[in-house]
Amino acid sequence: AQKVTQAQTEISVVEKEDVTLDCVYETRDTTYYLFWYKQPPSGELVFLIRRNSFDEQNEISGRYSWNFQKSTSSFNFTITASQVVDSAVYFCALSAPERGANNLFFGTGTRLTVIP
Amino acid sequence: EPEVTQTPSHQVTQMGQEVILRCVPISNHLYFYWYRQILGQKVEFLVSFYNNEISEKSEIFDDQFSVERPDGSNFTLKIRSTKLEDSAMYFCASRTPGRGEKLFFGSGTQLSVL
Repeated sequence: AQKVTQAQTEISVVEKEDVTLDCVYETRDTTYYLFWYKQPPSGELVFLIRRNSFDEQNEISGRYSWNFQKSTSSFNFTITASQVVDSAVYFCALSAPERGANNLFFGTGTRLTVIP
Repeated sequence: EPEVTQTPSHQVTQMGQEVILRCVPISNHLYFYWYRQILGQKVEFLVSFYNNEISEKSEIFDDQFSVERPDGSNFTLKIRSTKLEDSAMYFCASRTPGRGEKLFFGSGTQLSVL
């Protein structure tokens, strides 16, 4: 079975601080994909990143970076120099196409509040 | 950038009534999905649809739910007899073929069952 755990329910930081959102996943599949989505107050789900299980390279995109470690089944997301516009709920998600299902299993989300 | 479009953005209905939520996926996408999010909770998978049939569904997607692609552009979710616990945000999503492709989500329909 697939499972995604985001242990941090809510995080508050002051603007310009760095913040890391944790994601731990479980799957028996050898091929799987990990995602992060952002849900701003307006409610839509915005794709941030996709990573496949064979690519453990960390990725940086502007102020965003992702640390994928298969050894600990984690796919953590760091925002550097946070801004008020980063305030949102962030979801980590997993898909395991080997089982014929390309649907996403979402974690419970982490609500990030950036205080000006 | 192409978008998944959902209508209406808000729907209020009485318990026991039928509702149809509408979605227009991105035009070259072949896989379609419905998810729901009860207020403050996680996003839950309902159903996936490919080649004019359901490819997978969750336990939530019981006999009260159905999906349809009535023409070449629309993708609908019908709830036959709504219950209070069906109140949620319903998201439509679509993707291109390929393993692990990202899902593009619509802005959602907020369904309130009174």
